[in-house]
Amino acid sequence: SQQGEEDPQALSIQEGENATMNCSYKTSINNLQWYRQNSGRGLVHLILIRSNEREKHSGRLRVTLDTSKKSSSLLITASRAADTASYFCATDEVTGGGNKLTFGTGTQLKVEL
Amino acid sequence: DGGITQSPKYLFRKEGQNVTLSCEQNLNHDAMYWYRQDPGQGLRLIYYSQIVNDFQKGDIAEGYSVSREKKESFPLTVTSAQKNPTAFYLCASTPTGSTDTQYFGPGTRLTVL
Repeated sequence: SQQGEEDPQALSIQEGENATMNCSYKTSINNLQWYRQNSGRGLVHLILIRSNEREKHSGRLRVTLDTSKKSSSLLITASRAADTASYFCATDEVTGGGNKLTFGTGTQLKVEL
Repeated sequence: DGGITQSPKYLFRKEGQNVTLSCEQNLNHDAMYWYRQDPGQGLRLIYYSQIVNDFQKGDIAEGYSVSREKKESFPLTVTSAQKNPTAFYLCASTPTGSTDTQYFGPGTRLTVL
């Protein structure tokens, strides 16, 4: 079953604008991660936020985590055409996870020139 | 060059045939994973292995088999029992059996004719 659900499914913005993607999940987690996938390629890890953290930054990326709402957001600031990709959240469930991640369905981001 | 390699990149198979997808890593990682991705979907876990000579079923193991005879290799066999094998297959690894950052290979696209 899909633990994480990203919203929106697809997002189209102009270069220079900010892009915000959201992820909701169902169970308690140890950590939540965001990955990026260019079309037809493998996934690349972007950022990991642990359950006791509320916000994390990495370059133009800002991730927030609200464990009370079981949700996370990924903000990409000053977007570039090269940011065009699919973005996935992945969660590590506290119970029953068995050392594995559960991936969401992804947000397809298109950044236009 | 360190990383995870998957071969072949594209694979075509006739119905009723078994096929083996290769995954090799030289990162000295303990844990390895196989995922299946269908168009516009997230990743679903097929099998994972946290140590040599041991592996566990993921969420969609039916019709697949794996082996882990060497630390650096985790081949996946798609058997004729898998009803809808056409998909994009991704291999990943992590340094330990923990659920921190996963490192992905470039993927193999399998098409059943």
